[in-house]
Amino acid sequence: DTAVSQTPKYLVTQMGNDKSIKCEQNLGHDTMYWYKQDSKKFLKIMFSYNNKELIINETVPNRFSPKSPDKAHLNLHINSLELGDSAVYFCASSPRDGVVNGEQFFGPGTRLTVL
Amino acid sequence: AQSVTQLGSHVSVSEGALVLLRCNYSSSVPPYLFWYVQYPNQGLQLLLKYTTGATLVKGINGFEAEFKKSETSFHLTRPSAHMSDAAEYFCAVSGNNFNKFYFGSGTKLNVKP
Repeated sequence: DTAVSQTPKYLVTQMGNDKSIKCEQNLGHDTMYWYKQDSKKFLKIMFSYNNKELIINETVPNRFSPKSPDKAHLNLHINSLELGDSAVYFCASSPRDGVVNGEQFFGPGTRLTVL
Repeated sequence: AQSVTQLGSHVSVSEGALVLLRCNYSSSVPPYLFWYVQYPNQGLQLLLKYTTGATLVKGINGFEAEFKKSETSFHLTRPSAHMSDAAEYFCAVSGNNFNKFYFGSGTKLNVKP
């Protein structure tokens, strides 16, 4: 009965590789997000999708490509991984008016380490 | 545009003492304000939020925060710290820009026995 789940939990890979992180929510929410939390714990939004449509695309390298096959899933694909991509990536979801009401539900995070 | 400043990246209190975590915001529109807590190796959980109405809001586990427009602040308090309160706390602000959330840099709370 996990609300927002992410896989994998840990991901260790070499520079230059391509990897994906998957996110699923079973809350029936319309909106999903990807956040990046760096080593200093600073949390920054990367993308937001509402009903499979891209709403927010912050200044993120185009090596990062989100994909939303349906409104319950938002996957993050990263090409040509770099050392600076090492971080914890959080997926979140919210109802249509989730931002106003603060009801963002976060997944447990995926710790990506690029060697 | 909105932004959040959390004063003190680390706060240490004794068990039973008052917890005060500071948050100041900047917003060009009436803000919506939030506090989230992150326990080790977990995602963020909503503690409390201010949207409209009463400026003193109560959240889970006895936490409170007061929206003070004149001071552009939304400080988080708890009268008596518990060991289980040790975690990272994030203040966040959003305006009327749908889906835009801005988080502060976080404050790590340490509770000493």
